[in-house]
Amino acid sequence: AQRVTQPEKLLSVFKGAPVELKCNYSYSGSPELFWYVQYSRQRLQLLLRHISRESIKGFTADLNKGETSFHLKKPFAQEEDSAMYYCALLQGAQKLVFGQGTRLTINP
Amino acid sequence: DAGVTQSPTHLIKTRGQHVTLRCSPISGHKSVSWYQQVLGQGPQFIFQYYEKEERGRGNFPDRFSARQFPNYSSELNVNALLLGDSALYLCASSSTTGTENTGELFFGEGSRLTVL
Repeated sequence: AQRVTQPEKLLSVFKGAPVELKCNYSYSGSPELFWYVQYSRQRLQLLLRHISRESIKGFTADLNKGETSFHLKKPFAQEEDSAMYYCALLQGAQKLVFGQGTRLTINP
Repeated sequence: DAGVTQSPTHLIKTRGQHVTLRCSPISGHKSVSWYQQVLGQGPQFIFQYYEKEERGRGNFPDRFSARQFPNYSSELNVNALLLGDSALYLCASSSTTGTENTGELFFGEGSRLTVL
């Protein structure tokens, strides 16, 4: 079965430190993966998708098919990065399979 | 555009009752999806509708049903409520054509259902 695993429920780092949010997936085909983010008092929104290979708000994520991972990284954390982050896998044409989420806290 | 709007924002029901949740998509979006988010978990797919037709169904019992109207708004209905149905119900719209999905969903703020 298709599954997305985010092993860390909570992650806390200091401002200016590097950040890595882990995501592993299981999928039999060619995966399409995404990171969604929910800032405090805001809606869940798309942060980035692997297919576009872009950097959004300083975040990047590389698909590693060998390790079945799609970790989200940022070299220098900022306080405004504090949020809930969800990794998601597109299954078929209809649905996203979400991980449990990681709450990232950036300490000043 | 106000984005995806959902109503009601909060509601309390008792076991065995029925609930109807409503969603209006972003103007121009023809696809609406419903997700259930239990506290501490990620959203879980319930349904997707495109052009008034069901295009996908998640692993939920038949007590859950939905429909989409000609103006692309949607309703999610849950019958015979159980305590375990307590959750945040998220509606999302997208510009998917129905056979292709970019994976970009625009979420509403959700309807928080509490079943007592």
